[in-house]
Amino acid sequence: KAGVTQTPRYLIKTRGQQVTLSCSPISGHRSVSWYQQTPGQGLQFLFEYFSETQRNKGNFPGRFSGRQFSNSRSEMNVSTLELGDSALYLCASLPGQSYNEQFFGPGTRLTVL
Amino acid sequence: GENVEQHPSTLSVQEGDSAVIKCTYSDSASNYFPWYKQELGKRPQLIIDIRSNVGEKKDQRIAVTLNKTAKHFSLHITETQPEDSAVYFCAATLMSNMLTFGGGTRLMVKP
Repeated sequence: KAGVTQTPRYLIKTRGQQVTLSCSPISGHRSVSWYQQTPGQGLQFLFEYFSETQRNKGNFPGRFSGRQFSNSRSEMNVSTLELGDSALYLCASLPGQSYNEQFFGPGTRLTVL
Repeated sequence: GENVEQHPSTLSVQEGDSAVIKCTYSDSASNYFPWYKQELGKRPQLIIDIRSNVGEKKDQRIAVTLNKTAKHFSLHITETQPEDSAVYFCAATLMSNMLTFGGGTRLMVKP
C-alpha cells in the first residue's frame, strides 16, 4: 500500500504570492490533517478534513485554507505569503476512526523570500 | 486548548545508557499520547503510543509511562544505540486526528 504523498516537495516563493500544496492520503484513509513545522514554533496543527468537510482548525490566520476532494486528496492554500510562512508543511492521514496512528507524508518545504 | 511541554530540549547520552524524555499536558480530557521520532530530513514516525486507560506500555527497548493525575507522561529508551539519535516529539490529544505536540527533544547518542 502506498504511503502518504505530498507535492511538490520543495517550493520557493516571494512575499505576497500564494501557494497550493497537495496531499494524497493512504488509500482508504478518509481523514487528512495538516501541520506546520518550524524551528521556532515546532509542530503546529493547521486543520483537519474528513469526507470533504473541515472538522477542526488550529490557530492560524485566514490566509491558510484547505479543502478535500471526494477521493480524499487534500490541498492547502496560503495566500499573501509572509517570510514567517517558511516552514515544512506536513500532512498526515488516518482511516477516520479515533485511536489510530497518523501516517505522515514527507512534507513540502516552503521557502518565502 | 491543549498545551504540551517537553523536557529536555536536548539530551546527550553514551551508547548503552538510558534516555528519558518527559512531557506534561494541560487538558485532563486528553486520552491519547503518541511519541514520534523524526530523523534529519525525514517525516515523523510513530514509535509508541499510550491511551489514558493504560499506565505503562513497552515495546522492546522503548517504554512509555502515563500519570493521569499529574498529567505527565514519559518516554524511556534503554540500551541506546547511535541510530536512536533523532528528534523525539510527544503529543496529546482528545481526538487522534488533531495532535498537540511538545517542543521536541534532540537526542544524541555518542558511540
